[in-house]
Amino acid sequence: EVQLLESGGGLVQPGGSLRLACAGSGFDFSISAMNWVRQAPGKGLDWVSTISGSGGSTYYADSVKGRFTISRDNSKNTVFLQMSSLRTEDTGVYYCAQAPRVVSPCDYWGQGALVTVSS
Amino acid sequence: DIVLTQSPDFLSVTPKEKVTITCRASESIGGTLHWYQQKPGQSPKLLIKYASQSFSGVPSRFSGSGSATHFTLTIDSLEAEDAATYYCHQSTEFPQTFGQGTKVEIK
Repeated sequence: EVQLLESGGGLVQPGGSLRLACAGSGFDFSISAMNWVRQAPGKGLDWVSTISGSGGSTYYADSVKGRFTISRDNSKNTVFLQMSSLRTEDTGVYYCAQAPRVVSPCDYWGQGALVTVSS
Repeated sequence: DIVLTQSPDFLSVTPKEKVTITCRASESIGGTLHWYQQKPGQSPKLLIKYASQSFSGVPSRFSGSGSATHFTLTIDSLEAEDAATYYCHQSTEFPQTFGQGTKVEIK
């Protein structure tokens, strides 16, 4: 059974930083692309970032480029999202999602981590 | 960026009715269009990949069709458990984008 478990969410002030982690199991983590997709309260899905299985290729939405960094540790089956210079509009639930390849559907999703950016 | 526009935004449907949701892309995306279901308080679940391929374990009443810029998700004989918001998603190019969602309510 595929499982994805996010952690690291919380309340942070504008301009602050937070690091999310997502631990995967039940699939071949090292060959899977991993995505972060967020959802603002009461809104739709918003793609944030993707990393290839090797970690050699990364992609970002323009809205987070230069502020967020995606990375992975295949020895620990974990993907990370380092978020800096956070803004109130970054508030929402952050989902990690597994995909077979960089450009493919998100087959499985975690339960989400809530990030609240507020003073 | 490729814009995905879903219609309608909201549907109120009685059980056993047939439901059709449309997703239009601002430019051709071939067949790299996927559909997800998100129930309240839950994470999204993949229903249909590459326009028409059912994902593992998805009930047969869900089907997808289309290509290029026009895609549809069909739910034959809606059940009460299908109350959810449905999203289309394109993975043709970055940035990947999602439609705005279609909320399906059961009457």
